Amino acid sequence: QSALTQPASVSGSPGQSITISCTGASSDIGGYNYVSWYQQRPGKAPKLIIYDVTNRPSGVSDRFSGSKSGNTASLTVSGLQAEDEADYYCSSYTGDNTEVFGGGTKLTVL
Amino acid sequence: QLQLHESGPGLVKPSETLSLTCSISGGSVNSGNYYWSWIRQPPGGGLEWIGFVSYSGSTKYNPSLSRRVSISGDTSKNRYSLNLTSVTAADTAVYYCARHWRGGGYSHGMDVWGQGTTVTVFS
Repeated sequence: QSALTQPASVSGSPGQSITISCTGASSDIGGYNYVSWYQQRPGKAPKLIIYDVTNRPSGVSDRFSGSKSGNTASLTVSGLQAEDEADYYCSSYTGDNTEVFGGGTKLTVL
Repeated sequence: QLQLHESGPGLVKPSETLSLTCSISGGSVNSGNYYWSWIRQPPGGGLEWIGFVSYSGSTKYNPSLSRRVSISGDTSKNRYSLNLTSVTAADTAVYYCARHWRGGGYSHGMDVWGQGTTVTVFS
């Protein structure tokens, strides 16, 4: 079970949009529409912000959106705000009924 | 409102067994469609899924840890537990428990997390 691949870091200015990619395989991302995204601020527990590739839990800003193409899922944050600065992790259901996370991406708001 | 709270020793000696408990309040370990996961995060590192126990007591583990890990539920005390045997320094991490939405047999994300507990393997 290999971790999903994410860029180590991304950055953007306030008001801009950024996209974080998450690449897996046909046994996880490519085979199922069960990708989740989490936001983790320093010293805090992760927070679910996207589930089932595109869905937002109640209370999560609509500036966060998810998509998928083939073996790669993406998280887009539009209208960047200072409060969006955090680490972001993707995860996926896998064909052997387990869960696998990405390595995480640090988002810096310039 | 559902809350999770991890508890257990903060220090464990190499080769010994790490044991943690996740206490559930505002909900039940028997809730249908929800499984109960453990996740860990080494210092400065990323998240690693350890495994889950279902409302019926079935389990599934990360293949990389399956030989050393066991997770069990305790319905009488509304909590679930993690045991990790033969620990080494590589097991030093913040350990989180989380509710895992598993409707239809698939994963829909972990929507409620505990605050995490730090475990250091140290002789």
